[in-house]
Amino acid sequence: EAQVTQNPRYLITVTGKKLTVTCSQNMNHEYMSWYRQDPGLGLRQIYYSMNVEVTDKGDVPEGYKVSRKEKRNFPLILESPSPNQTSLYFCASSLLGTGRAQETQYFGPGTRLLVL
Amino acid sequence: LAKTTQPISMDSYEGQEVNITCSHNNIATNDYITWYQQFPSQGPRFIIQGYKTKVTNEVASLFIPADRKSSTLSLPRVSLSDTAVYYCLVGGRGATNKLIFGTGTLLAVQP
Repeated sequence: EAQVTQNPRYLITVTGKKLTVTCSQNMNHEYMSWYRQDPGLGLRQIYYSMNVEVTDKGDVPEGYKVSRKEKRNFPLILESPSPNQTSLYFCASSLLGTGRAQETQYFGPGTRLLVL
Repeated sequence: LAKTTQPISMDSYEGQEVNITCSHNNIATNDYITWYQQFPSQGPRFIIQGYKTKVTNEVASLFIPADRKSSTLSLPRVSLSDTAVYYCLVGGRGATNKLIFGTGTLLAVQP
C-alpha cells in the first residue's frame, strides 16, 4: 500500500532532550516536507526537501533540523526541544521534485508531540 | 506563493450544499488552486484542483471566476462525515518551493 508513515505517533518528552521523528514514504517521491499544525494557525511548513541531500527552510524552521540521506526517509530532529514546539507534526511527500502546489501532497498520519 | 484567506468556520445541515470561498488576490499566472480535506487526527488529503472555470469530480466541484482572485469549493448534499477542515492552497511554477496552506475552514455538519 502506497503510504507515508511517521513514528512515533505520540511522544512526551522534556525540555532539552533531543528527539527524532521519522518519516518514510514508499512511493518513490522526490519532494518531502514537514509541517506543524497548531490551533488557529493551520498548517505551517517547517522544512522541505526537493531530493536526496537537498533541503531548504520552510516558514517556521527555527529549532528544527532535517536530513535527506535516502530518497524514502526524511527525519525531523529537535536538538533541544522547548515547550513551544508542542504541536501536531505531519510529514508529506509528492511525486516530482518541483514542490509546486499543483502536485498532490500525500500526508502521513501525524505525530503528536508534548514537550514538558 | 499567493496568500489565501478563508472563513475560519462554517455550519451546515445534512443534505445541504456547502460553498467555501477562498480569496487569493495575488495569484500568479501559472498558479493552480488546490483544496485539501482534513479529518480530526488525520493528515490532509487531496480533494480537487483547478486552474480556471469549473472542475468537478466525484467528491466536489471547484468554481474559479475569470479573474481567478477567488475560488469556491462546492460540496453537494453534505453528510455528517463531511465535517472536517478544508484548506485552500495556491501555487504553481513560481520562484519558491515552499507550500503555504493557511488556516483552513472548519466545516461542521449537523443532523
